Amino acid sequence: QQQVKQSPQSLIVQKGGIPIINCAYENTAFDYFPWYQQFPGKGPALLIAIRPDVSEKKEGRFTISFNKSAKQFSLHIMDSQPGDSATYFCAASIVGYQKVTFGIGTKLQVIP
Amino acid sequence: DVKVTQSSRYLVKRTGEKVFLECVQDMDHENMFWYRQDPGLGLRLIYFSYDVKMKEKGDIPEGYSVSREKKERFSLILESASTNQTSMYLCASRLQGAIYGYTFGSGTRLTVV
Repeated sequence: QQQVKQSPQSLIVQKGGIPIINCAYENTAFDYFPWYQQFPGKGPALLIAIRPDVSEKKEGRFTISFNKSAKQFSLHIMDSQPGDSATYFCAASIVGYQKVTFGIGTKLQVIP
Repeated sequence: DVKVTQSSRYLVKRTGEKVFLECVQDMDHENMFWYRQDPGLGLRLIYFSYDVKMKEKGDIPEGYSVSREKKERFSLILESASTNQTSMYLCASRLQGAIYGYTFGSGTRLTVV
């Protein structure tokens, strides 16, 4: 059972474009939603995270939009650069619990 | 800088071998995790440990076991390696009760032939 559904699995955008990655969750007990960025040959690294009490969070060129009623959240990358080419994972967890549930990942390629 | 170190970057083993994957963290974290990463399947939790000598099964524990004798070290054991265990294995750690996310190692790519 996939508790966090992520789409698309792959995405190609031109430099300067705004790639959008979408995730949906089922468990309403989730209350922490991080995004991880993984470059080839590296482990995933925390990029940005949001709690459900806010609808949007920005860090630099990265923005999370959160829709609690729809149980959906998305990552937007403003003014995307070739250096943003990586695999992005959304995730969900319950604060205080050890487990984190990940989406299947989105391989993003930003072409010059 | 905090670190999670996985002992091998690449590993090739034969079917039926007993395989040990080692992970060490230097952050004094209580929680440690083993995931496997496969294309189209994302990250799937194999086992996790919330303290020394404590362990819990994740979503796909079959064919695996773990050992945590010291706080900083968490080992994943493939009792009898099979070709369907060919994968990228990722170790992660986190401070107990922390709201922020994991710190991952760089992974071990295991090929079972």
